[in-house]
Amino acid sequence: DAGVIQSPRHEVTEMGQEVTLRCKPISGHNSLFWYRQTMMRGLELLIYFNNNVPIDDSGMPEDRFSAKMPNASFSTLKIQPSEPRDSAVYFCASSGRGTYNSPLHFGNGTRLTVT
Amino acid sequence: GQQLNQSPQSMFIQEGEDVSMNCTSSSIFNTWLWYKQDPGEGPVLLIALYKAGELTSNGRLTAQFGITRKDSFLNISASIPSDVGIYFCAVVMDSNYQLIWGAGTKLIIKP
Repeated sequence: DAGVIQSPRHEVTEMGQEVTLRCKPISGHNSLFWYRQTMMRGLELLIYFNNNVPIDDSGMPEDRFSAKMPNASFSTLKIQPSEPRDSAVYFCASSGRGTYNSPLHFGNGTRLTVT
Repeated sequence: GQQLNQSPQSMFIQEGEDVSMNCTSSSIFNTWLWYKQDPGEGPVLLIALYKAGELTSNGRLTAQFGITRKDSFLNISASIPSDVGIYFCAVVMDSNYQLIWGAGTKLIIKP
């Protein structure tokens, strides 16, 4: 099992630029989650998908953030336009083989720096 | 909103010492989880607790699910350098199966 794969590992961009973060969940998992981690706020759930369908996006901070899951093996989180306060580590996680409450498996994150 | 109170916030210990950290809530939860996050990586599940009063071990780690279902503790025996990292407790909300996370306990081993 390859685990949850995220890319890129690091992203440095200028304010105003578009940023796209990518995630490949564990094969067979039917739930996918995007989290943001900062020193001030800890781990925050941004959005999660079940069977490729967005279930709860109430954690998405603003309209500048959007997430898609076109198929069971791929998801993107896009920030357009990016701002310095978006700097954080963004984690993707997946869970489940038919059950909702199986524990999350996290990727290694994308460290985003917006200057 | 619902919160988990995790303590201590950080711990400085000597190699070989035992470690204890805990997590409390004002609400009842039926599933408690302990994760560890190494620097530069995502959190990894250590122990999952599903039954009140349950005591579960994973190597040198032992975790207990409090009988009131409002707390849990994690113990690490005979700490080693690779135990450094941030330990998070989390609970599963029965309403939507989402997680509530503690703020983490940062474990640092004194040289």
